Amino acid sequence: AQKITQTQPGMFVQEKEAVTLDCTYDTSDPSYGLFWYKQPSSGEMIFLIYQGSYDQQNATEGRYSLNFQKARKSANLVISASQLGDSAMYFCAMSTGTASKLTFGTGTRLQVTL
Amino acid sequence: NAGVTQTPKFRILKIGQSMTLQCAQDMNHNYMYWYRQDPGMGLKLIYYSVGAGITDKGEVPNGYNVSRSTTEDFPLRLELAAPSQTSVYFCASSYLTDTLWSYTFGSGTRLTVV
Repeated sequence: AQKITQTQPGMFVQEKEAVTLDCTYDTSDPSYGLFWYKQPSSGEMIFLIYQGSYDQQNATEGRYSLNFQKARKSANLVISASQLGDSAMYFCAMSTGTASKLTFGTGTRLQVTL
Repeated sequence: NAGVTQTPKFRILKIGQSMTLQCAQDMNHNYMYWYRQDPGMGLKLIYYSVGAGITDKGEVPNGYNVSRSTTEDFPLRLELAAPSQTSVYFCASSYLTDTLWSYTFGSGTRLTVV
């Protein structure tokens, strides 16, 4: 069975600081993908970043980077230079199998303060 | 492009009533999914489809049915609604590019069963 664990229910960060959101995963499938999504209070799911299990380099997308440590089975999201608009729920998810079904963690609520 | 369109956005059902949540995509994606999100939780997979005429159960299929007669449409049927089905329902579609799985989520349907 696939499992995603996010151990931080809530995080605070000051504006312009960097923050790391933790995610660990468990799967026996050698091929998988790791996603991070942002869910603002309006409720939509916004794709942030993706890392494939065979990718050699850590993924980056603007202010978002994914710290992928395969041996530790971790896929932490790093947000640099936090902005007030980054306040939201953040979900880590893993896709496995030919149909790429997603397994989600329970999320981390990030609050950016002045 | 409209992407993934879900209707309705909000609905209140009485216990025992039935309804169909509509989902349509215009991206010609073969893969489609239904997820539910309970308060304070991540998304859980209800059903998925790898193409027209092919559907399969996800993690939490009980109380739901799906059909996929066309590539574009993937409706979710609730029979005999129960309070435990109060949730936000997300439809999604995906395809595999050269390097990653690309997911598109609908904006969600907020369902309350009273």
